[in-house]
Amino acid sequence: QSALTQPASVSGSPGQSITISCTGTSSDVGAYNSVSWYQQHPGKAPKLMIYEVSNRPSGVPDRFSGSKSGNTASLTISGLQAEDEGDYYCSSYTRSSTPSYVFGTGTKVTVL
Amino acid sequence: EVQLLESGGGLVQPGGSLRVSCAASGFAFNTNAMSWVRQAPGKGLEWVSAISGSSGGKYYADSVTGRFTISRDNSKNTFYLQMDSLRVDDTAVYYCAKLRGPDWNVLCFDYWGQGALVTVSS
Repeated sequence: QSALTQPASVSGSPGQSITISCTGTSSDVGAYNSVSWYQQHPGKAPKLMIYEVSNRPSGVPDRFSGSKSGNTASLTISGLQAEDEGDYYCSSYTRSSTPSYVFGTGTKVTVL
Repeated sequence: EVQLLESGGGLVQPGGSLRVSCAASGFAFNTNAMSWVRQAPGKGLEWVSAISGSSGGKYYADSVTGRFTISRDNSKNTFYLQMDSLRVDDTAVYYCAKLRGPDWNVLCFDYWGQGALVTVSS
């Protein structure tokens, strides 16, 4: 159950677009449409931002979008805003003898 | 409104035991799978365990298999994580989370509690 690989940090100016990658293997990201993304502010619980690769829960701004190609998933934030600053984690189901889930290493997003 | 409230965190010595609880409200608890996710200080998220709505399925990360036990009481809208043989590296904030999705292989964690800090130290 190795963690999915994310860049440690990504930054952008207000209004710009940024993309966070999430690289796994053919046993997790590449095998299932289960990639989800979570936003976490300091001292707070994570919040679901994207599920099943590209779906947004109710209440999540449409500037957040998700995609997947092969073993790599991506989260794009368009029109970056100050409140988007925080940590972001991807997650995927992973092939095992029983249900199992793996998270990414996390990416700190800084709004310059 | 979905609410998840953890309790039971605290300080325990290595080798000791602790049980954390998660009280749920605002949704049909008995039909929803639930999960525990932990976060060590300054570190990332780690999935720990999950349980089906009927308790028929209980699943664990390799790092806690044989030491942790997940359970639920649908009459109390509460589920639990019993942690035995605790180690220093089990120190973390333990979050309970509601699982969403049509099948185990597309589930996501759609609501989270505020977290319970478990510290394992002598």
